[in-house]
Amino acid sequence: QSVLTQPPSASGTPGQRVTISCSGSSSNIGSNTVNWFQQLPGTAPKLLIYTNIQRPSGVPDRFSGSKSGTSASLVISGLQSEDEAHYYCASWHDSLNAWVFGGGTKLTVL
Amino acid sequence: QVQLAQSGAEVEKPGASVKVSCRPSGYTLTGYYMHWVRQAPGQGLEWMGWINPDSGATNYAQKFQGRVTMTRDTSINTAYMELSRLRSDDTAVYYCAREFNSGVGNFDLWGRGTLVTVSS
Repeated sequence: QSVLTQPPSASGTPGQRVTISCSGSSSNIGSNTVNWFQQLPGTAPKLLIYTNIQRPSGVPDRFSGSKSGTSASLVISGLQSEDEAHYYCASWHDSLNAWVFGGGTKLTVL
Repeated sequence: QVQLAQSGAEVEKPGASVKVSCRPSGYTLTGYYMHWVRQAPGQGLEWMGWINPDSGATNYAQKFQGRVTMTRDTSINTAYMELSRLRSDDTAVYYCAREFNSGVGNFDLWGRGTLVTVSS
């Protein structure tokens, strides 16, 4: 059972907008920022969003993040076939003194 | 090219220890915190801990305290993660990941992973 809660799956057709949620508590998301990672099949994770909304260089602006209270969201606009991957949220957990991840969301592009 | 090179796959028996290495190229190990994250087959990501390669200070996830040791050898620009008293549920891919800004969790550079299989 992951500390951060994500839906196990999401889907959309090319061009659509998809939102992936990440729910936490006052000990993690509620008091710290959120990062998002993309993991393509058979590869290492890749940083997609950090400090809630920042995109590393090279990440398309189709990917955006937001945070409100104890929840965060990743939005993918203009969905493309190459976006089919697992997506993970992460945040610092104060009382555990640890980074915690969501269980991951498998995104399928129909 | 900036990258993290990890050691090769390992097969260990229950109760044994494994030591995985992670060698940056394109930057100096001491410039950034190094984290270790593992992923069991078909499962999600699990954070294990970090090492400040400059000072040697470490912070381990509570789950692994007493079993994990993260070290570094600055003379050869390499970080290590050793896990002892291995169990079958330690079978996983172990990744090292650089944290670009300490405390932010922006793991911007990952190794390709080291598969550790624990089997009798």
